[in-house]
Amino acid sequence: DTAVSQTPKYLVTQMGNDKSIKCEQNLGHDTMYWYKQDSKKFLKIMFSYNNKELIINETVPNRFSPKSPDKAHLNLHINSLELGDSAVYFCASSPTGRGLYGYTFGSGTRLTVV
Amino acid sequence: DQQVKQNSPSLSVQEGRISILNCDYTNSMFDYFLWYKKYPAEGPTFLISISSIKDKNEDGRFTVFLNKSAKHLSLHIVPSQPGDSAVYFCAASAEPNAGKSTFGDGTTLTVKP
Repeated sequence: DTAVSQTPKYLVTQMGNDKSIKCEQNLGHDTMYWYKQDSKKFLKIMFSYNNKELIINETVPNRFSPKSPDKAHLNLHINSLELGDSAVYFCASSPTGRGLYGYTFGSGTRLTVV
Repeated sequence: DQQVKQNSPSLSVQEGRISILNCDYTNSMFDYFLWYKKYPAEGPTFLISISSIKDKNEDGRFTVFLNKSAKHLSLHIVPSQPGDSAVYFCAASAEPNAGKSTFGDGTTLTVKP
């Protein structure tokens, strides 16, 4: 039974298109995240939601808009896709504020913009 | 500004030997340090963590050491097994945003049979 699932796993799309990535967790965690892993393999936080409330919003183009309909779901919508958006996007969840417990990550969505 | 650095992109060790993965950080305000393991086409998996008030934490074959004065932590795996071959990320976070982790860029460990 998958703890953090994100769909789709692969996404190939043309520049200028709008796309969404969905994420769901069944762990009962209060906090969910989106991380981006670029070509240099860095994992950088993009957004974090706690109980549907946005708590972290890093310097991300406003073409990226997260949406959390409930605390078990955090979706990522990207408008007007650009070549530089190509990366692997990871969704994750964790118990609130418990720094020692780590994240549970999804398996990632590889986005390729052509 | 890269606050968490893993200066060794790769490490190769023989099965049964010790693997030592290193991580340096610059932010003295970090309260928690974590290690993750990542296999290809999967998300990172949490391995072990340590609070800044400790200098060692052990879990089975994995031990994390923290040297606050040097702003350095290391992950020891002993004995190393072929299944340990993966990319290892260190991460750190600070209160009050303990949930916001800053990651290093990873070290690829290869354990040879």
